[in-house]
Amino acid sequence: AQKVTQAQTEISVVEKEDVTLDCVYETRDTTYYLFWYKQPPSGELVFLIRRNSFDEQNEISGRYSWNFQKSTSSFNFTITASQVVDSAVYFCALGPGKGDDKIIFGKGTRLHILP
Amino acid sequence: AAGVIQSPRHLIKEKRETATLKCYPIPRHDTVYWYQQGPGQDPQFLISFYEKMQSDKGSIPDRFSAQQFSDYHSELNMSSLELGDSALYFCASSLGPEVYNEQFFGPGTRLTVL
Repeated sequence: AQKVTQAQTEISVVEKEDVTLDCVYETRDTTYYLFWYKQPPSGELVFLIRRNSFDEQNEISGRYSWNFQKSTSSFNFTITASQVVDSAVYFCALGPGKGDDKIIFGKGTRLHILP
Repeated sequence: AAGVIQSPRHLIKEKRETATLKCYPIPRHDTVYWYQQGPGQDPQFLISFYEKMQSDKGSIPDRFSAQQFSDYHSELNMSSLELGDSALYFCASSLGPEVYNEQFFGPGTRLTVL
């Protein structure tokens, strides 16, 4: 079965602090994709990153970075020098797998950046 | 670039009424997915279509039905609405259902059932 676990339900940090959002996944597929989405209060799902299961290179995009560790089935997301505009719910997601269309989302982590 | 279009963006209905949500995929995309996100919940997959045929089915209630039309747009029909159907409904589209094809999400339709 496919599963995504985001153990942190809610995190609060003060602006300019770094924060890491954890994501652990389970899958039997050898080919899969991992995603991070941001959902601000307005409700839309903002795509942040898609990572192929064969590409374990870490990625940095501005203040955002992702650490993909296949050995521990983790795909953690770090925001450096956080800003108030980063406040949102962040979803880690998995899929689709072979013969399976759907994306499986984690429960999300609500991030509060305090001024 | 053109994105996935969903209409309406907001919808208010009474219990036991029906609702129809529409999704217009990105041009040339032939695969459509529907997700339901309840308040404070993660998005849950409902159903998907590829080339006008249902390709996968998730936790979609029997009161809901969906279809994909010849122009690839899709409609989600919801009957006998219940309070628990209040949610954000996302549509996503991709070019083909294969595992390597990225799904692009629409802005969502917020349905409120009173």
